[in-house]
Amino acid sequence: DGGITQSPKYLFRKEGQNVTLSCEQNLNHDAMYWYRQDPGQGLRLIYYSQIVNDFQKGDIAEGYSVSREKKESFPLTVTSAQKNPTAFYLCASSILALADTQYFGPGTRLTVL
Amino acid sequence: DQQVKQNSPSLSVQEGRISILNCDYTNSMFDYFLWYKKYPAEGPTFLISISSIKDKNEDGRFTVFLNKSAKHLSLHIVPSQPGDSAVYFCAAKYSGGSNYKLTFGKGTLLTVNP
Repeated sequence: DGGITQSPKYLFRKEGQNVTLSCEQNLNHDAMYWYRQDPGQGLRLIYYSQIVNDFQKGDIAEGYSVSREKKESFPLTVTSAQKNPTAFYLCASSILALADTQYFGPGTRLTVL
Repeated sequence: DQQVKQNSPSLSVQEGRISILNCDYTNSMFDYFLWYKKYPAEGPTFLISISSIKDKNEDGRFTVFLNKSAKHLSLHIVPSQPGDSAVYFCAAKYSGGSNYKLTFGKGTLLTVNP
């Protein structure tokens, strides 16, 4: 049963704490992405990675960090430097040669108290 | 500067009628367009796409039309069903270079009334 999993579904953290969101895919996709969605807004790209051990900043990378040590995994760390971390975070993946079509995970709702 | 615009935040239609969702873009370099459907608290699911070399693509009840000169695309759903009620996002990309970024609009909430 192939797909993209994100855990947990809901996450609560205190202000000033770093938190890491998990994203795993078993689709054998080369590229992975992290987006953020805020109410009434479209999806905004945080980071993306085309191959293992390589990643690029998206439009709103400040206050976030990522790693890509394995093809299947692309965790996102929301650091204390991110001014408005409360949001719905979406991970996606795609076949590199067909990067046009990205497939999304179920998302993680992060609330910083 | 918003490069992909969905100017209607919401749309309400009757079951069985046609739903038309619109999307405008400003970047003339965009050459591939996608529509995603999203239910609350879930990830978006890919619906249909169109390349700039075409002006129409059809998949079952869903048809996307592209008007390059007007930088406008639309998604038609016929007939609309209550299960189609969701937020629909338009997305665009430029295939050249190594940038795989999709640029999304803000979405349109479609409500199909029984």
